Amino acid sequence: GAGVSQSPSNKVTEKGKDVELRCDPISGHTALYWYRQSLGQGLEFLIYFQGNSAPDKSGLPSDRFSAERTGGSVSTLTIQRTQQEDSAVYLCASSLGRDTPQYFGPGTRLTVL
Amino acid sequence: ILNVEQSPQSLHVQEGDSTNFTCSFPSSNFYALHWYRWETAKSPEALFVMTLNGDEKKKGRISATLNTKEGYSYLYIKGSQPEDSATYLCASNQAGTALIFGKGTTLSVSS
Repeated sequence: GAGVSQSPSNKVTEKGKDVELRCDPISGHTALYWYRQSLGQGLEFLIYFQGNSAPDKSGLPSDRFSAERTGGSVSTLTIQRTQQEDSAVYLCASSLGRDTPQYFGPGTRLTVL
Repeated sequence: ILNVEQSPQSLHVQEGDSTNFTCSFPSSNFYALHWYRWETAKSPEALFVMTLNGDEKKKGRISATLNTKEGYSYLYIKGSQPEDSATYLCASNQAGTALIFGKGTTLSVSS
């Protein structure tokens, strides 16, 4: 079956512009996660959606970052007024629940010039 | 904030060697412990999810153990092969929280 997909695979933008990153989780997975990996760093948690519950936004680094998940499926991560330090690979993952394996998408490489 | 630590940071072994890595996590309110394998230019791939103290899981030459009382997990690779070269990530969460990842152990296996 289809895995987690993300688009775009690469995004180059200018400082100050807004960007939207998309994640299509595996069908039926109620949990969806966003992470990022900056150069030389580990995997950093950003936000977590579980079913219809309020998302866990505790990992978002600033109020320029936001995410939504429409209809319990597709999710969009939006970064407003991008900064150079936002450059990273943004990974999305989905799972059936918090104690089941997460399946990761291929990631979006964001470069802010 | 949950802190997950992994050691060593990197490791270089010869083909055929057996090796192991450590993951430390807070033992209070433990919920689950995950291990992932992350190869260069690919996405992380799940190896194991463990929830019970004393859990042992095995997948081919790779196995893992879990001690929730003292807050650690070991990942073992028996007879390492060059294709085992990757970064091995562990992640843990407490009840009601999202999964927090360690920085990983990068394994390099020479033939």
